[in-house]
Amino acid sequence: SQQGEEDPQALSIQEGENATMNCSYKTSINNLQWYRQNSGRGLVHLILIRSNEREKHSGRLRVTLDTSKKSSSLLITASRAADTASYFCATYSSNTGKLIFGQGTTLQVKP
Amino acid sequence: GAVVSQHPSWVICKSGTSVKIECRSLDFQATTMFWYRQFPKQSLMLMATSNEGSKATYEQGVEKDKFLINHASLTLSTLTVTSAHPEDSSFYICSARAPGQGYTGELFFGEGSRLTVL
Repeated sequence: SQQGEEDPQALSIQEGENATMNCSYKTSINNLQWYRQNSGRGLVHLILIRSNEREKHSGRLRVTLDTSKKSSSLLITASRAADTASYFCATYSSNTGKLIFGQGTTLQVKP
Repeated sequence: GAVVSQHPSWVICKSGTSVKIECRSLDFQATTMFWYRQFPKQSLMLMATSNEGSKATYEQGVEKDKFLINHASLTLSTLTVTSAHPEDSSFYICSARAPGQGYTGELFFGEGSRLTVL
């Protein structure tokens, strides 16, 4: 079963602009992770934020987590055409012991 | 870094035949691997958890006799789609827990296997 919603489903921006994707989830979590998937390929782990963290940075990526609202956001700054991909949030719950993925956001960065 | 290799990357088969997909952890041991299924423009759906040396745990709604999972060694899990039908056509992706990160850490994913059943 899916954990929650991602918003927007699709996003198209110009190179250099920032891209923000949101993720909501339903159950309590140990951590929330963001993954990237290029078309027709496997997933690549981007960043993990623990339930007791509110914000985390990695290069051009900034992730926030609001456990009271059960939501997270991924910000990609100064986007590049190579950032074109689908981005998925995934939540890990110790109750289930599984990593469950959101619906994903398809990002297109136009050169 | 840790690498998960999946083979074949794509396969076309006739309806009624069986197809085996292999998932290998190349430079680490994976006691647990996960099999996901992804339809076009959709998210990943967890099918089953593959445990080395024991039976796989299947998600609700996934037919264990249809999707046979074997995890005979610490570096290899296989998914066999038995008596495949066109509705089994999908993108199958395996993953393994990153070594040293415990049960809650990131997963390393294979490149996926696209199955087309004619």
